[in-house]
Amino acid sequence: QQQVKQSPQSLIVQKGGISIINCAYENTAFDYFPWYQQFPGKGPALLIAIRPDVSEKKEGRFTISFNKSAKQFSLHIMDSQPGDSATYFCAASKRGSNYKLTFGKGTLLTVNP
Amino acid sequence: DTAVSQTPKYLVTQMGNDKSIKCEQNLGHDTMYWYKQDSKKFLKIMFSYNNKELIINETVPNRFSPKSPDKAHLNLHINSLELGDSAVYFCASSPSGTGFTGELFFGEGSRLTVL
Repeated sequence: QQQVKQSPQSLIVQKGGISIINCAYENTAFDYFPWYQQFPGKGPALLIAIRPDVSEKKEGRFTISFNKSAKQFSLHIMDSQPGDSATYFCAASKRGSNYKLTFGKGTLLTVNP
Repeated sequence: DTAVSQTPKYLVTQMGNDKSIKCEQNLGHDTMYWYKQDSKKFLKIMFSYNNKELIINETVPNRFSPKSPDKAHLNLHINSLELGDSAVYFCASSPSGTGFTGELFFGEGSRLTVL
C-alpha cells in the first residue's frame, strides 16, 4: 500500500521555467510533509517542509503548496536552474510514529540550459 | 567532519556471502535509521534505533541484522546475500523527542552489488 503518491516520475524543464511536482497522501494522521532533494551519488537532503496548519511555505525559489481537504501537496521551483537537476522526494510522517518518514517514489528533474 | 558517514561506499560481493556496512554520526542525535534505495530510486525504511533500542523493523528478512553499539553508531550486517539485496543503503540520523523536527540527515550511501 503506497501511502504517498508522487507525480510525475520525470520532468524536463527549460532554464528559467517553473517546475511543479505533486504528491497525494492517504493517511489523515500525517502532520509533517517534507521535500528532499537528492543529487547523483549523494544522500537525500531536506529542501523544505510544511505542517498542515499552513497552506503555503516559501523559501527562496522553492514553495510548498498544501491542500489539506484534497490531501495533496506540491513543490514549485521558480526560475528553475540547471543546478536544480536532481531527484526530488516528497514524504510524510505523523507524531508518535517513532520518527518514520514515508517517501514518495521520486521525481527526476532535468533543467536544460 | 562529515555528519553521517558510512563505510564502505561501494561493496561488490558474491551471492551467499555475509557483509557489513558501518555508520557513524557526529551530530549528537539519538535516533538512527537504515533506508534501502532500489534501482528505481524508491526509498524504504528498514530499521530505526533510538538510544540503541530498536523501534522500527519494517518486515525486513532476518538475514539483515542491525546493531547499535552506542547511539552514534548503527551497523548493518547482511547474511547469505541474495541478488535482490543489490541496492544503495542509506544511514540517517535525527534528534528525538521534542527535538525531532522531521528532518533526517542522510549519509552518502553504500552501493551494494551482489553478483
